[in-house]
Amino acid sequence: EIVLTQSPGTLSLSPGERATLSCRASQSINSDYLAWYQQKPGQAPRLLIYGASNRATGIPDRFSGSGSGTDFTLTITRLEPEDFAVYYCQQYGYSPPLYTFGQGTMLAIK
Amino acid sequence: QVQLQESGPGLVKPSGTLSLSCAVSGVSISSDYYWSWVRQTPGKGLEWIGEIYHGGKTHYNPSLKSRVTISMDKSKDQFSLDLSSVSAADTAVYYCARNFWGDFRYLDYWGQGTLAAVSS
Repeated sequence: EIVLTQSPGTLSLSPGERATLSCRASQSINSDYLAWYQQKPGQAPRLLIYGASNRATGIPDRFSGSGSGTDFTLTITRLEPEDFAVYYCQQYGYSPPLYTFGQGTMLAIK
Repeated sequence: QVQLQESGPGLVKPSGTLSLSCAVSGVSISSDYYWSWVRQTPGKGLEWIGEIYHGGKTHYNPSLKSRVTISMDKSKDQFSLDLSSVSAADTAVYYCARNFWGDFRYLDYWGQGTLAAVSS
């Protein structure tokens, strides 16, 4: 089973700053099967990025994803107050069919 | 607009079966998607439980496979989760979600989640 490790565990920044979140896979994965989600307290996860770098419908362009192989990054430029939340990466593997998630990065207001 | 809504008992006794349903609206459950259950606990984070396709094909997380059954009622546009032999470790918020199944793999629509607690 592929394990996704996210870092840092908590990132404290101020509105207007740039956030860089990392997701590292225990082995190389298909970047088409790498997604990022945002979750706020009491809410379900919300899809932000799919295929490592494609923004989901309605997601602002300050959110971007990049990476390949084992290293993936979610970047948020010019943080807005509503961006402070927990972020998860997710990958899909074929054998057996299995979705796995990282443990999350909490983006906190400094 | 695609919407998913979980329902089911909030409390289940240890060794019993946790049964949840997910009502889908805004899209037919017979359309070309898989439909998933995901749970979330403070300790283990987000854990994918399994998925079902309208043709009846299912895939389960190997860690839960022996206890999980996911089924579908196409006439009601809903799918269901049965998790047997539950223990306190199965206490979680349970989400249903739609899987995009094409060149990419992701969960694009989620229910709001329902808390299921295992306690006597």
